[in-house]
Amino acid sequence: NAGVTQTPKFQVLKTGQSMTLQCAQDMNHEYMSWYRQDPGMGLRLIHYSVGAGITDQGEVPNGYNVSRSTTEDFPLRLLSAAPSQTSVYFCASRRGGGLVVQYFGPGTRLLVL
Amino acid sequence: QQQVKQSPQSLIVQKGGIPIINCAYENTAFDYFPWYQQFPGKGPALLIAIRPDVSEKKEGRFTISFNKSAKQFSLHIMDSQPGDSATYFCAARSSSNTGKLIFGQGTTLQVKP
Repeated sequence: NAGVTQTPKFQVLKTGQSMTLQCAQDMNHEYMSWYRQDPGMGLRLIHYSVGAGITDQGEVPNGYNVSRSTTEDFPLRLLSAAPSQTSVYFCASRRGGGLVVQYFGPGTRLLVL
Repeated sequence: QQQVKQSPQSLIVQKGGIPIINCAYENTAFDYFPWYQQFPGKGPALLIAIRPDVSEKKEGRFTISFNKSAKQFSLHIMDSQPGDSATYFCAARSSSNTGKLIFGQGTTLQVKP
């Protein structure tokens, strides 16, 4: 049971480039989320999904797209990277309902030059 | 606009001290208040959580105190150890069917030997 996995671990992009951050979970969790972590700002929710085919915006969605074609995968796309998107990105998953634990992946550190 | 406000941003205590981290929220439609612990280079992991119908919860050396009328909750670490040095995040979960988990800004704790 690998839990929540993220790739890549580290990425450098130039302004305007696009890329996809991958996230997968093998726990059959309905809920998946993407957060970004910046100093002094905590963890801010970018997008989330309550099941395959269902996504919605979080607190800071601008500049990011998501899709959820399967229960296991929840990729985050940066269409045109900007220096303001330099951050550490965490994917998370949990079961639906009740007081459940949300599990985080190890993170992707992104630097946009 | 941060829905969950956390303080202090950083905290230094001596071994054996009792660091206290505070959080306040505005939205009354939260139904679950977890605390997460994050070590450098790792994703956050659930530490302890409380429901709003309980005023205190204790797990080992970690205690959450919850004041529903004041919309505040806090984490106390008894007999703190250098291994407790980490970043701590409070969070609140929306009671809607989306169950979004909103995090505070984080507190970096250093416990000196």
